Amino acid sequence: LAKTTQPISMDSYEGQEVNITCSHNNIATNDYITWYQQFPSQGPRFIIQGYKTKVTNEVASLFIPADRKSSTLSLPRVSLSDTAVYYCLVGALLLTSGTYKYIFGTGTRLKVLA
Amino acid sequence: GAGVSQSPSNKVTEKGKDVELRCDPISGHTALYWYRQSLGQGLEFLIYFQGNSAPDKSGLPSDRFSAERTGGSVSTLTIQRTQQEDSAVYLCASSPSQGSNYEQYFGPGTRLTVT
Repeated sequence: LAKTTQPISMDSYEGQEVNITCSHNNIATNDYITWYQQFPSQGPRFIIQGYKTKVTNEVASLFIPADRKSSTLSLPRVSLSDTAVYYCLVGALLLTSGTYKYIFGTGTRLKVLA
Repeated sequence: GAGVSQSPSNKVTEKGKDVELRCDPISGHTALYWYRQSLGQGLEFLIYFQGNSAPDKSGLPSDRFSAERTGGSVSTLTIQRTQQEDSAVYLCASSPSQGSNYEQYFGPGTRLTVT
């Protein structure tokens, strides 16, 4: 079963690029990696999803190496409003039952400073 | 369109009472998920539904927890004989279908406080 770990916290300044890495050593062949952003007292919000190599959308990039045991969320030119907790999510297919479990990473608290 | 809604937004209950938490998914979404987030902690997966079926209930913390979904839409999470350690935010999410390749859309959560 995939276990996901992330750095607990990171600080950055406005305008800088921020990279947050998630380790998921036991990711299964068919699992996708998804990243979410969460503000206080709100539900998580989708940022980006990928399976391998690099994915880019209008707000972020996601880098996944060939072994897929980790992934890196890249936020270009962060602003104060990007201060939030960032989670990776891995869906794990349980081969014994054919069912899924969804495992969130430990979360990274990003603080953007002026 | 309307997002995922949850009710109540806040619930305070006495230890030993039963509570029901409700989730209304996005219309047409066949998959529905429940998570728990304790104060200042990460997200703990509880259960998912594909349609009205929950194929794996092993993520529920104890046998005091149960969940059901009717009509492929609304879901309720029931906690019997609540304990103080059940205090947390309970989050519901839905997606067009079940699988890690689908984005999950989250509701605002129900904050449960057991006194």
